[in-house]
Amino acid sequence: DAGVIQSPRHEVTEMGQEVTLRCKPISGHNSLFWYRQTMMRGLELLIYFNNNVPIDDSGMPEDRFSAKMPNASFSTLKIQPSEPRDSAVYFCASSLGEGWGGNQPQHFGDGTRLSIL
Amino acid sequence: EDQVTQSPEALRLQEGESSSLNCSYTVSGLRGLFWYRQDPGKGPEFLFTLYSAGEEKEKERLKATLTKKESFLHITAPKPEDSATYLCAVQSFSSGSARQLTFGSGTQLTVLP
Repeated sequence: DAGVIQSPRHEVTEMGQEVTLRCKPISGHNSLFWYRQTMMRGLELLIYFNNNVPIDDSGMPEDRFSAKMPNASFSTLKIQPSEPRDSAVYFCASSLGEGWGGNQPQHFGDGTRLSIL
Repeated sequence: EDQVTQSPEALRLQEGESSSLNCSYTVSGLRGLFWYRQDPGKGPEFLFTLYSAGEEKEKERLKATLTKKESFLHITAPKPEDSATYLCAVQSFSSGSARQLTFGSGTQLTVLP
């Protein structure tokens, strides 16, 4: 079975540029999560979608970050304008929910390593 | 606020030398505790979910246990391919988002041949 697919795997860009990260969740999963991982802060949840609707975006660091999920098989995380402190590995995860509060495990993609120069 | 503390930060074992990793947690109502394995350059790979104190789960050389305050990941006769970072995460009834996971910082395990 195909897992969570993220693209690109690596992104290097200059400060001020727009960055778009992409995610295809596991087919049939109705919950999608965006995380950021750094050495200093570990894994942090940025935003969570359920049935394509953003439920909790309290982890989004600031207005420069935005996320969309136009359909059940695709999501994007956009940073505009990007800054060097945004450099991190960004992970997308999906899970099969059972209504609000389901505790099914989240399955992660292999991430996008983002470097902002 | 949910908190997860993992220890040790790093662990080096000889092949065949059994040991345990610790995950201490503080939550207001545990919905689930999850163990993941993460290899360099990869995303976390799901291992186990534990729901209530006294529960145990096993998979090959790994066994996870749960009490009301902590979880242990026991590794029996480890092999070099068990080398990875092991992450613990909790999901609680008190988190702002019912499905939000709070991760620990992980234990980096190295098994030497």
